[in-house]
Amino acid sequence: NAGVTQTPKFQVLKTGQSMTLQCAQDMNHEYMSWYRQDPGMGLRLIHYSVGAGITDQGEVPNGYNVSRSTTEDFPLRLLSAAPSQTSVYFCASSGPQETQYFGPGTRLLVL
Amino acid sequence: AQRVTQPEKLLSVFKGAPVELKCNYSYSGSPELFWYVQYSRQRLQLLLRHISRESIKGFTADLNKGETSFHLKKPFAQEEDSAMYYCALGPMYSGGGADGLTFGKGTHLIIQP
Repeated sequence: NAGVTQTPKFQVLKTGQSMTLQCAQDMNHEYMSWYRQDPGMGLRLIHYSVGAGITDQGEVPNGYNVSRSTTEDFPLRLLSAAPSQTSVYFCASSGPQETQYFGPGTRLLVL
Repeated sequence: AQRVTQPEKLLSVFKGAPVELKCNYSYSGSPELFWYVQYSRQRLQLLLRHISRESIKGFTADLNKGETSFHLKKPFAQEEDSAMYYCALGPMYSGGGADGLTFGKGTHLIIQP
């Protein structure tokens, strides 16, 4: 039981490049979320999903796309990376009324 | 709008001294409050969930609805308590998953020997 996994651990991008941050969980959790963590800002919700095929926007969705084709996976896409998207990205999952389990994070640097 | 305020960016106390990390919130409705801890460059881990009323690693927190606060306390700090602490809220009984959580900006706790 790996819990919540994220790949890659670290990524450097140039402005305008695209990439996908991967998140997977093996706990059959219905709910999954993406947060970004910035110094002095805490964690802010980007997108979340209550099940396969259902996604919704959080506090800071601009510049990010998500999809949820399976229960296990919830990838986060940056279509055209910007320096303002330099951050640490955390994925989380949970079942109904359960607390969220967080992944180890992906550190993204956009030059 | 819902909001979580952690007024201290940094809190430094000596080993063995009492610790109190402050958290205030605003929420229309009945919130569920959490404390998460993040040790250096690691993933966030749940420390406390107010409805479970558990005490983890000697930490406790009481929800004060009148003062809209959920302060985290520990009577005797230990060096291994040094970490980032985040207060968070979500709808009651949700666990935070269905709508995501609203986090405070965090308090960096340093325990000096």
